[in-house]
Amino acid sequence: EPEVTQTPSHQVTQMGQEVILRCVPISNHLYFYWYRQILGQKVEFLVSFYNNEISEKSEIFDDQFSVERPDGSNFTLKIRSTKLEDSAMYFCASILRQVPNEQFFGPGTRLTVL
Amino acid sequence: QKEVEQDPGPLSVPEGAIVSLNCTYSNSAFQYFMWYRQYSRKGPELLMYTYSSGNKEDGRFTAQVDKSSKYISLFIRDSQPSDSATYLCATTTYSGGSNYKLTFGKGTLLTVNP
Repeated sequence: EPEVTQTPSHQVTQMGQEVILRCVPISNHLYFYWYRQILGQKVEFLVSFYNNEISEKSEIFDDQFSVERPDGSNFTLKIRSTKLEDSAMYFCASILRQVPNEQFFGPGTRLTVL
Repeated sequence: QKEVEQDPGPLSVPEGAIVSLNCTYSNSAFQYFMWYRQYSRKGPELLMYTYSSGNKEDGRFTAQVDKSSKYISLFIRDSQPSDSATYLCATTTYSGGSNYKLTFGKGTLLTVNP
């Protein structure tokens, strides 16, 4: 069964460093999302992406964040200068078409900012 | 105003018990209602999806939506140890562009004891 994959599973970085989190969505999917979950908190929407552009972004998704689909298979989230409060699980999700119940989530990347 | 409220538990039940998990939401624009299951250190996995008020059954799972009171429930019959996980309610509505961003509750940690 096709699945969304994410790498790395765990990323440790120093405050102020740049990180890139990678996702490989399901191959024929067209719509892509990033969510994050701070420990003990809700899963929160960060950004949605379709047709090589951002569809919507949350207040969390400030200028330190960017997304890219560099090669037609990967979908990346970059944090330019990490802060301690960026420590969280980051989940990528994808859907084939605009049907709300078909978002498939990856296993997540645990980001730890020291 | 918090958009989706969910009792985080934890909830511990004996095997075979009926489990009731509940959420309330505040935004009457929400049209679609989902329950996700999340095992430790994994991404959310879609369990149930409903659109209209009423009940939807899938095996041992029943999802119930009451739009008039903005109340969402998930019932698990004959609960099994393998049902032990965090259960997340989520809602969404079409927000323009190409976006069905999900709004999650905090999740309820369920343990089913053999």
